[in-house]
Amino acid sequence: NAGVTQTPKFQVLKTGQSMTLQCAQDMNHEYMSWYRQDPGMGLRLIHYSVGAGITDQGEVPNGYNVSRSTTEDFPLRLLSAAPSQTSVYFCASSYVRGITDTQYFGPGTRLTVL
Amino acid sequence: AQSVTQLDSHVSVSEGTPVLLRCNYSSSYSPSLFWYVQHPNKGLQLLLKYTSAATLVKGINGFEAEFKKSETSFHLTKPSAHMSDAAEYFCVVSDRYGGSQGNLIFGKGTKLSVKP
Repeated sequence: NAGVTQTPKFQVLKTGQSMTLQCAQDMNHEYMSWYRQDPGMGLRLIHYSVGAGITDQGEVPNGYNVSRSTTEDFPLRLLSAAPSQTSVYFCASSYVRGITDTQYFGPGTRLTVL
Repeated sequence: AQSVTQLDSHVSVSEGTPVLLRCNYSSSYSPSLFWYVQHPNKGLQLLLKYTSAATLVKGINGFEAEFKKSETSFHLTKPSAHMSDAAEYFCVVSDRYGGSQGNLIFGKGTKLSVKP
């Protein structure tokens, strides 16, 4: 199993550009989520999905869109990048949306918006 | 609403001495609690988790944590630090019930430095 994979590893955007961060898992996990990590802030939940076709907002959803057309993939879209979206983005997944279930994290995407 | 407070942003210890990373939480429902570790430029790895079984939880690499409901604390300890323990550690809470069930709320992290 590859686990949770994220592409790209690094990305530089200009203000106003759009892009999609890719996240995939091969563990047949139902629950997937996106976090952003900023210095001194820990990780904050952006969006999450409890299964294909179902998504919901987390703590910091503004400026981001998600969709979940398959169990395996959960892309995060930045519609019009802003410098405030410079961050490290982590995707995570778990078998179900359960409090006992361990969430597995991808290696992260480091995004810089100029 | 849940929240997590990690009481120290940076802890420095000498190799071979004990490690204590402090964490307090608040939760509207019975919480699950986790400690994750992040080595430089790496992803996050689960160290241990508490989910209402034994209050003393043992994790990987010799770490353990004790859930103390009366103190709303979940401090992480290790008897003897190793150089490879140098990393950032995150205390995390998750509600068991309610609309945010299963979503993780992270503390701001504690950077652990280990001196030779």
